[in-house]
Amino acid sequence: EVQLVESGGGLVQPGGSLRLSCAASGFTFSNYWMVWVRQPPGKGLVWVSRIKGDGTSTSYADSVKGRFTISRDNAKNTLYLQMNSLRAEDTAVYYCARGTTAGDVWGKGTTVTVSS
Amino acid sequence: QSALTQPPSASESPGQSVTISCTGSSSDVGNYNYVSWYQQHPGKAPKLMIYDVNERPSGVPDRFSGSKSGNTASLTVSGLQAEDEADYYCYSYAGSNKFVFGTGTKVTVL
Repeated sequence: EVQLVESGGGLVQPGGSLRLSCAASGFTFSNYWMVWVRQPPGKGLVWVSRIKGDGTSTSYADSVKGRFTISRDNAKNTLYLQMNSLRAEDTAVYYCARGTTAGDVWGKGTTVTVSS
Repeated sequence: QSALTQPPSASESPGQSVTISCTGSSSDVGNYNYVSWYQQHPGKAPKLMIYDVNERPSGVPDRFSGSKSGNTASLTVSGLQAEDEADYYCYSYAGSNKFVFGTGTKVTVL
């Protein structure tokens, strides 16, 4: 079964750091671009970042550029999102998804709360 | 990276059709055929319903269809059913390896 499972969310103070993980199974992970998408409480979906299958190409939304870093370990079939200098507005459910220009497989999400 | 514009809500009776618009610009929707649509039920992850403007993934009913004209993409749900009540989001490539979602539309089946 094709599956994505996010983990690593939690409560963190403003200015703090957190690393999210997304464990993939059921498909050849290294063949796929992967993305992170977030959804603030009660609001819409927001594209955050994307990484190529071999990890050689990455991109970020302007709102997180310079603070967040996307990476992957294809040997472990795992996608990561390192989040630094966190702000209250980063509070959201974070989803990982598989796909080049559309997300055809999604995880259930992990919740990040930035608050003092 | 401004969000694509969708109507906040749409409603129709069971069996009828509803069409949701997604308006962008010549930098995103108008310039690429990489528009996809997602259905999201409360508390659930999004589900891909349409990709590449008008392609349907395996398992998605043919009641769902997509189209594009200029800077505006559209999702049509025909023969509305109770389980179609959900939030719907469009998503487009915006150039320079970046993407953008729409503002979302809540569809209510009356």
